[in-house]
Amino acid sequence: GAGVSQSPSNKVTEKGKDVELRCDPISGHTALYWYRQSLGQGLEFLIYFQGNSAPDKSGLPSDRFSAERTGGSVSTLTIQRTQQEDSAVYLCASSLAGLNEKLFFGSGTQLSVL
Amino acid sequence: GENVEQHPSTLSVQEGDSAVIKCTYSDSASNYFPWYKQELGKGPQLIIDIRSNVGEKKDQRIAVTLNKTAKHFSLHITETQPEDSAVYFCAASLTTDSWGKLQFGAGTQVVVTP
Repeated sequence: GAGVSQSPSNKVTEKGKDVELRCDPISGHTALYWYRQSLGQGLEFLIYFQGNSAPDKSGLPSDRFSAERTGGSVSTLTIQRTQQEDSAVYLCASSLAGLNEKLFFGSGTQLSVL
Repeated sequence: GENVEQHPSTLSVQEGDSAVIKCTYSDSASNYFPWYKQELGKGPQLIIDIRSNVGEKKDQRIAVTLNKTAKHFSLHITETQPEDSAVYFCAASLTTDSWGKLQFGAGTQVVVTP
């Protein structure tokens, strides 16, 4: 595809359920980032993948959050035992070479935890 | 870690007028400063970036200035048009040979009225 693709675009879940959010980066981009955007707030860094290097997970807010990237391409962000405070837009971005430069963002997944 | 403050949070301008958004950062070692534009329902899109070895950069109606001594940088939009209405985010990071976290400001909602 031409851009970063995220699915689903919207997800409504009940408190305590697990959710999986998917990101398809731009083909050939070695770096992949997950950010969280709460209503009216800036972008909060969650996790960064660069090639085969160990991911930087320093932004994950709790051990309920995890992410993986298979084959250096598609990434999945998993939130276990969701809480209402997890409600936000989850944005994925990719870049050609990493190091924060020229991130291309997807349209995000709007997560609502009831 | 890096902390980025962005002002104003909202900005209303008349079409044709200029808009200025200001950001300050805390880490004097930061060396990369991008600006992103986010339209409703979409992910942020990079519109311009500047490195610490440059004081000003222009791209058509958009310019960014950087004052390293004062640790602030600004986005200037001239001859504003309705399509400039969006949320604008500044960001700062230290990029070296390894990963440096991109810290975003809280965003500025720009409304251009015809």
